Amino acid sequence: DGGITQSPKYLFRKEGQNVTLSCEQNLNHDAMYWYRQDPGQGLRLIYYSQIVNDFQKGDIAEGYSVSREKKESFPLTVTSAQKNPTAFYLCASSHLQRKNTEAFFGQGTRLTVV
Amino acid sequence: QQPVQSPQAVILREGEDAVINCSSSKALYSVHWYRQKHGEAPVFLMILLKGGEQKGHEKISASFNEKKQQSSLYLTASQLSYSGTYFCGTEREENQGGKLIFGQGTELSVKP
Repeated sequence: DGGITQSPKYLFRKEGQNVTLSCEQNLNHDAMYWYRQDPGQGLRLIYYSQIVNDFQKGDIAEGYSVSREKKESFPLTVTSAQKNPTAFYLCASSHLQRKNTEAFFGQGTRLTVV
Repeated sequence: QQPVQSPQAVILREGEDAVINCSSSKALYSVHWYRQKHGEAPVFLMILLKGGEQKGHEKISASFNEKKQQSSLYLTASQLSYSGTYFCGTEREENQGGKLIFGQGTELSVKP
């Protein structure tokens, strides 16, 4: 079955550590996205990538980094510079250059700083 | 630039109807609607494009008023499974795919 897979589902991090969240898709989508969701709030765009080896900052990129070495993969690193990293992180992918194209989301990673 | 959703929360009995609104201060190309159950991935419901084109679920309807930059999602004869948080996501240009600006969400609870 085609889909988008995030791992791990739950992640605990000590203050000062970097952690990497995995996102893999087998939908042959060109574009991939990372969103952050805080309780009672909507999704906010962290980074996105429309092509391999290229990515753009979203609205809240500070303290995060990404890479896109393969079309299928778009890992997100939450660095120690991110002041408040506890949140629910969602990865999404979509086709580009098509009308009516929706985003497909992964199941999310819940990151908690302890 | 975040679209504003209203109401913030609504409680229904099974079989009742609800309308969720999404308003933007900027000109839009499209509005996307998603439903999210707690702790799960948002699930696509519908896309409405400038010019009237739509794609979405058969049992859910929505409208897009281009003059007012407002979209409304209509949930009729609600079922328990409709419970969740509804988000609108907006595109200001075409071919943005998942690069959406989301509203803050509307929490819908359907009671037996």
